[in-house]
Amino acid sequence: QKEVEQNSGPLSVPEGAIASLNCTYSDRVSQSFFWYRQYSGKSPELIMSIYSNGDKEDGRFTAQLNKASQYVSLLIRDSQPSDSATYLCAVTRGTGGFKTIFGAGTRLFVKA
Amino acid sequence: DTGVSQNPRHKITKRGQNVTFRCDPISEHNRLYWYRQTLGQGPEFLTYFQNEAQLEKSRLLSDRFSAERPKGSFSTLEIQRTEQGDSAMYLCASSPRGTSGGSYNEQFFGPGTRLTVL
Repeated sequence: QKEVEQNSGPLSVPEGAIASLNCTYSDRVSQSFFWYRQYSGKSPELIMSIYSNGDKEDGRFTAQLNKASQYVSLLIRDSQPSDSATYLCAVTRGTGGFKTIFGAGTRLFVKA
Repeated sequence: DTGVSQNPRHKITKRGQNVTFRCDPISEHNRLYWYRQTLGQGPEFLTYFQNEAQLEKSRLLSDRFSAERPKGSFSTLEIQRTEQGDSAMYLCASSPRGTSGGSYNEQFFGPGTRLTVL
């Protein structure tokens, strides 16, 4: 079992729709959770961080965390073609060290 | 502040040669990370520093890889006796000191160094 798992996609949604990206992790003591966006040929860019159970909203992005289910998700509302990228889920243990594990990423395509 | 910088941006070398990469983090960021990324994969953790101390190193990393962060500022990653399998993008990221509990670890990435081993 991979430490951080994501559906590789591609996930294709029409412009204006909601894109839903999911991630599961295996280490129960993980404390910090992140979503990064990576355009082709570029380095990852942080878009959301979440540390406690529930939802966190920032503009068109909502991150959801359920530690009991070891599940974190990212919703993108009103998807735009410029949102087309690979979305990486990352998890940091927090206690006892700050090693960060990334998932392989989900490719998102937003069709105009 | 201009963000995390990495040099060189591209490196082509022959198998068996040694290479060294440099990362300059965002000033006052106390954590610095090195990752390796290949096509279609997420960044793979290599090692991280808190100030000048190297706190963790991936078990996947062979003895050919070494990293330093003298004085807790810039960092270097050296690969000795390069192999074709070392061809990848090498990413550096830095993170500010967290708040209480140390659970905050937002990382900001540099542009990466693309290594090609012939």
